[in-house]
Amino acid sequence: QQQVKQSPQSLIVQKGGISIINCAYENTAFDYFPWYQQFPGKGPALLIAIRPDVSEKKEGRFTISFNKSAKQFSLHIMDSQPGDSATYFCAASGGGSNYKLTFGKGTLLTVNP
Amino acid sequence: DGGITQSPKYLFRKEGQNVTLSCEQNLNHDAMYWYRQDPGQGLRLIYYSQIVNDFQKGDIAEGYSVSREKKESFPLTVTSAQKNPTAFYLCASSIRPRGPDTQYFGPGTRLTVL
Repeated sequence: QQQVKQSPQSLIVQKGGISIINCAYENTAFDYFPWYQQFPGKGPALLIAIRPDVSEKKEGRFTISFNKSAKQFSLHIMDSQPGDSATYFCAASGGGSNYKLTFGKGTLLTVNP
Repeated sequence: DGGITQSPKYLFRKEGQNVTLSCEQNLNHDAMYWYRQDPGQGLRLIYYSQIVNDFQKGDIAEGYSVSREKKESFPLTVTSAQKNPTAFYLCASSIRPRGPDTQYFGPGTRLTVL
């Protein structure tokens, strides 16, 4: 029940295209859903996060879509750039005092020039 | 510069040796965390600490130990009991000890067992 399932495992997109990464969760107590971006050999950095009281959050070229009834959320990267090539992790936490982040297994995004 | 520092960046260990990974933060955060990252496995929580002198086991604590004697420091010891310690280790911190909150990560330590 603590799992967060992320897909696809890897994704190749052309420059200017839209990258879409999906995550699904089971624990209905989750109430915080961040996305992290990680470059090789570096620590993950928070990209964008959403709480379940909204269905969408946009920051620049990055958008989270959230579907509470389906227990799914996704990251959309518009106008993808080669500099966006990285591994992306979705995560979830919540449920009273449970502040531990449960991470998906990651998506390796490659944006070709 | 505020942030999280981890040292060393690379660490090599012989089988049977204990090693300690350093994690320091100057963000004045209450909570600190240790994760292990393996290829294709995402991040798995080893230990976390909500406050000085207190810490709890995460999902994969066996073979690891921690201490939290100071707010800014949360060292991780990988003991000889850890059967497969080769991995990328990440330290993180967050402002509040309870409730969902942004976790900020350090640059990581890559541990290799020879």
